[in-house]
Amino acid sequence: GQSLEQPSEVTAVEGAIVQINCTYQTSGFYGLSWYQQHDGGAPTFLSYNGLDGLEETGRFSSFLSRSDSYGYLLLQELQMKDSASYFCAALNRDDKIIFGKGTRLHILP
Amino acid sequence: DGGITQSPKYLFRKEGQNVTLSCEQNLNHDAMYWYRQDPGQGLRLIYYSQIVNDFQKGDIAEGYSVSREKKESFPLTVTSAQKNPTAFYLCASRTGRTYNEQFFGPGTRLTVL
Repeated sequence: GQSLEQPSEVTAVEGAIVQINCTYQTSGFYGLSWYQQHDGGAPTFLSYNGLDGLEETGRFSSFLSRSDSYGYLLLQELQMKDSASYFCAALNRDDKIIFGKGTRLHILP
Repeated sequence: DGGITQSPKYLFRKEGQNVTLSCEQNLNHDAMYWYRQDPGQGLRLIYYSQIVNDFQKGDIAEGYSVSREKKESFPLTVTSAQKNPTAFYLCASRTGRTYNEQFFGPGTRLTVL
């Protein structure tokens, strides 16, 4: 079967750095994306890794290692508004996109 | 403005009734997707379509049906065969090429009484 595993919850302090890990098991893997979702809202795209290595977009960075079937999202200089759920999503070669169950990020002042 | 619209935002239906959820996009995207989200859960793929007049089942297609007669539209019907239809339904689209970003609509919250 196809699945993505990520921690259910992570807690960090405002201004700190947090890393959210994602391991995947899919057939025909093409790339890994990250999405943010605030309560009651729709997911919004954060980052995509089609190749191994680090992608940086402002305070957010994402990493992919195909050999380890592993990726992570790194959030720097945490702000209270970053409190949300974060999802990794695997894109397969047939355009199928599967999501993990999400990681709830709690930020303490 | 380009984007994805879903209507209605809230929908109530009686058990045993079929209901169709609307999803329209004017982004000229080839691929469209339907996901279901339950409280505290991730997004589970129901159906997706890469081109007009073609679609594939996702992981939880039972009790649902779709059509893709136009590039802009991808309606989802929740049939009476779906055992637990109350959920938050999200529609998304992407260009269908290597660029991976999915754009999501605001979602429809369906409650079956």
